[in-house]
Amino acid sequence: AQRVTQPEKLLSVFKGAPVELKCNYSYSGSPELFWYVQYSRQRLQLLLRHISRESIKGFTADLNKGETSFHLKKPFAQEEDSAMYYCALASGSARQLTFGSGTQLTVLP
Amino acid sequence: DTAVSQTPKYLVTQMGNDKSIKCEQNLGHDTMYWYKQDSKKFLKIMFSYNNKELIINETVPNRFSPKSPDKAHLNLHINSLELGDSAVYFCASSPGYNSPLHFGNGTRLTVT
Repeated sequence: AQRVTQPEKLLSVFKGAPVELKCNYSYSGSPELFWYVQYSRQRLQLLLRHISRESIKGFTADLNKGETSFHLKKPFAQEEDSAMYYCALASGSARQLTFGSGTQLTVLP
Repeated sequence: DTAVSQTPKYLVTQMGNDKSIKCEQNLGHDTMYWYKQDSKKFLKIMFSYNNKELIINETVPNRFSPKSPDKAHLNLHINSLELGDSAVYFCASSPGYNSPLHFGNGTRLTVT
């Protein structure tokens, strides 16, 4: 069965510091991975997906099949990045999403 | 003109009651979902509908019954509410299975 693990429930960094939110997955098929973000009092929204290979709001994530990881990185964190981040894996014929437990990122001034 | 809208935003009710949460999307998407976010912020899929047809039905109690009158609506009806049903319920939609989800703002259900 598929599984997504986000080992850090809480993560705090100072403004301007690099940030990395960890995500590991287990899935026997070809993975399709996403990062979703939920800012305070806002809806959950897509941040990026691995097949797009894009950088959104300065964030990037590289799929590492050898390490079964999809860590989210940003070189210089900003206070507005403070939010809840979810890693998700699409699997099965219906491509249902399995979410990790989330990491609450706090960027300190 | 919110893309995915859920009502109500907050719902406080007593154990044993029956309640419904409504969801509507104006994006023309074919697929709609219900997710449950528990007190530990863990998100888990409950149901998925594609063109009004149930595709995914995870192991949720049969007190939960989704209803899709048309492909723009997916309502969630809950019978005999229990304390453990307290959570935030998110509706979402997507154009298809390989497309990202668009979420509603969530409905915070509190069962007392």
